[in-house]
Amino acid sequence: DQQVKQNSPSLSVQEGRISILNCDYTNSMFDYFLWYKKYPAEGPTFLISISSIKDKNEDGRFTVFLNKSAKHLSLHIVPSQPGDSAVYFCAASAGAGSYQLTFGKGTKLSVIP
Amino acid sequence: ETGVTQSPTHLIKTRGQQVTLRCSSQSGHNTVSWYQQALGQGPQFIFQYYREEENGRGNFPPRFSGLQFPNYSSELNVNALELDDSALYLCASSQTGLGRKTGYTFGSGTRLTVV
Repeated sequence: DQQVKQNSPSLSVQEGRISILNCDYTNSMFDYFLWYKKYPAEGPTFLISISSIKDKNEDGRFTVFLNKSAKHLSLHIVPSQPGDSAVYFCAASAGAGSYQLTFGKGTKLSVIP
Repeated sequence: ETGVTQSPTHLIKTRGQQVTLRCSSQSGHNTVSWYQQALGQGPQFIFQYYREEENGRGNFPPRFSGLQFPNYSSELNVNALELDDSALYLCASSQTGLGRKTGYTFGSGTRLTVV
C-alpha cells in the first residue's frame, strides 16, 4: 500500500515556464512533507519542506503548496531551468517519534531549452 | 563541511553471500539512516541509528543489520543475499530530530548487484 504517490512518472517543460510536480498521500499522521531532487549517480538532495500546519512555503524559485483536506501537495518551480532536469521525490514524515521518510516513486522532470 | 560518503560505489555479489556497506556521516550529524532504492522506485527506509543503537526500523527482515560507531560512521550488513536485494543503498545523516523537518543529507549510494 503506497502511502505517498506521485502519479506522473515524467514531465516535460519549456525553459522559463512553470513546472508543477504533484504528490498525493493517504496517511493522516504525516506532519512534515519534503521534496528531494536526484541527479543520476548522485544521492537525493533536499530542496524544500513544509509543515502540515502551513499551506505554503517558498524558497527562491521553489514553492510547495499543501492541501490537507485533499491530502495533496505540489512543488512549483518558476522559472524552470535546464539544470532543474532531474528526478523529483516527494517524501513524508509521521510525527516526532518517527524517524523514517516515506517516499513516492518520483517524477522525472525534463526542462527543454 | 564534508557531506555523506559511502563505499564502495559498486559491488557485485553472489546469492547467499554476505555484504557490508559503509557510510561516513556529514560532520556534526549524529544520526544515520539507511534506505534501499530499487529500480524505478523511491527510497525505502531500512533503519536508523542514534548513539550506536537502532532506534527505528522499516519493513526489512533481520538479515539486514547495522552498526553505528562512536564517530557516527555506520555499516549496513546484509546476510544471505537474495536476487531482490539488488538495489541502490543510500545512507543519510542528520542532527537528531531535524532530518524529518529540514532534510536528511544523503550520500551517493552503493549500487549492489546480486547474481
